[in-house]
Amino acid sequence: KNEVEQSPQNLTAQEGEFITINCSYSVGISALHWLQQHPGGGIVSLFMLSSGKKKHGRLIATINIQEKHSSLHITASHPRDSAVYICAVHRGAQKLVFGQGTRLTINP
Amino acid sequence: KAGVTQTPRYLIKTRGQQVTLSCSPISGHRSVSWYQQTPGQGLQFLFEYFSETQRNKGNFPGRFSGRQFSNSRSEMNVSTLELGDSALYLCATKGEETQYFGPGTRLLVL
Repeated sequence: KNEVEQSPQNLTAQEGEFITINCSYSVGISALHWLQQHPGGGIVSLFMLSSGKKKHGRLIATINIQEKHSSLHITASHPRDSAVYICAVHRGAQKLVFGQGTRLTINP
Repeated sequence: KAGVTQTPRYLIKTRGQQVTLSCSPISGHRSVSWYQQTPGQGLQFLFEYFSETQRNKGNFPGRFSGRQFSNSRSEMNVSTLELGDSALYLCATKGEETQYFGPGTRLLVL
């Protein structure tokens, strides 16, 4: 079993829909990242969380440390949100352990 | 501030050769981590350097090595390349609130 599990693996939705991507982890962590990767490979860090909730524009990330679970929400989704979203957890100082990613496609 | 830069961006090598990849972190960032991304295994941690010292290492064979210079630039080296080493190699530096990733070096081993 992977230390970090994401669901769903693939998600297709229509423009404007509310999107939720889930991440569960089985180990102790110091922080959790949500990353976005567009075709071509570049990765952008969207959020780093150690507790609670963060919001940036249409993106919201939450984490429940007790339940070892985090969610990434996208409100009013847009085709430019199409990307792979990756959950990663900090184990130790700098070691990141990654989920397998969720491929999101938003159709116009 | 300039972002994290990696060179080269693309590389084609043959089995048995060795390769050196370079990463220049954001000015002032002293920590550099390296990751390998493949379709089968996803993203995996290779190693992390801080102030010229390797601070953490992932589960990769000894053919994968790295170093960091006094200006925080880092290199990783893969010797005796295998077909399975074909991957996107990413480096990242750590800011206060986030990680900053470079664009990656795409290595193809033939």
